[in-house]
Amino acid sequence: EAEVAQSPRYKITEKSQAVAFWCDPISGHATLYWYRQILGQGPELLVQFQDESVVDDSQLPKDRFSAERLKGVDSTLKIQPAELGDSAMYLCASSPDGRNYNSPLHFGNGTRLTVT
Amino acid sequence: RKEVEQDPGPFNVPEGATVAFNCTYSNSASQSFFWYRQDCRKEPKLLMSVYSSGNEDGRFTAQLNRASQYISLLIRDSKLSDSATYLCVVNRPQGNSGYALNFGKGTSLLVTP
Repeated sequence: EAEVAQSPRYKITEKSQAVAFWCDPISGHATLYWYRQILGQGPELLVQFQDESVVDDSQLPKDRFSAERLKGVDSTLKIQPAELGDSAMYLCASSPDGRNYNSPLHFGNGTRLTVT
Repeated sequence: RKEVEQDPGPFNVPEGATVAFNCTYSNSASQSFFWYRQDCRKEPKLLMSVYSSGNEDGRFTAQLNRASQYISLLIRDSKLSDSATYLCVVNRPQGNSGYALNFGKGTSLLVTP
């Protein structure tokens, strides 16, 4: 079964440092999502791409977070500078086409970030 | 009010028991509904979609009540391996851009011997 690839699996960084996460969606999936999940909470959408375009980044803290999907395939999420409150699991997901209302998500393994 | 609300539990049940989880959603324009399962420190995985007429997959039954904006998941004959967090997921229209999926906080289930 095709998978969403994410790296790294774990990242420990000091506050004020920069950190980046990478995601490669399932081949052919047009829609890519970055979610953040704090322990004990459900995943919260940070940004959603349709091909290379951002369609929703309303919950992305734009003063420190940025995301890109330049060629409409893989994507990078960056945090600069990292803060203690950013410690969480960062999940990437993809779907064949998010414009289809019945399109479920396929998640990658996630990147667990710890900011010290 | 949160867009998707679930009782966080935990639900502790013995093997073989039947257990039900409920979920309410606030956006009446939502059109698709899912239950995801998440094991500890793992990614969420799709358990089943929820259809208007209700649907069943083995020991799992999902129901949707659009009038009350309410979704349920019933697990019969619980197994130890059913222990996990169950996430209720509801889509949200984004104008002309498609749909986003909103997740509840999850309901924790522990099945004991």
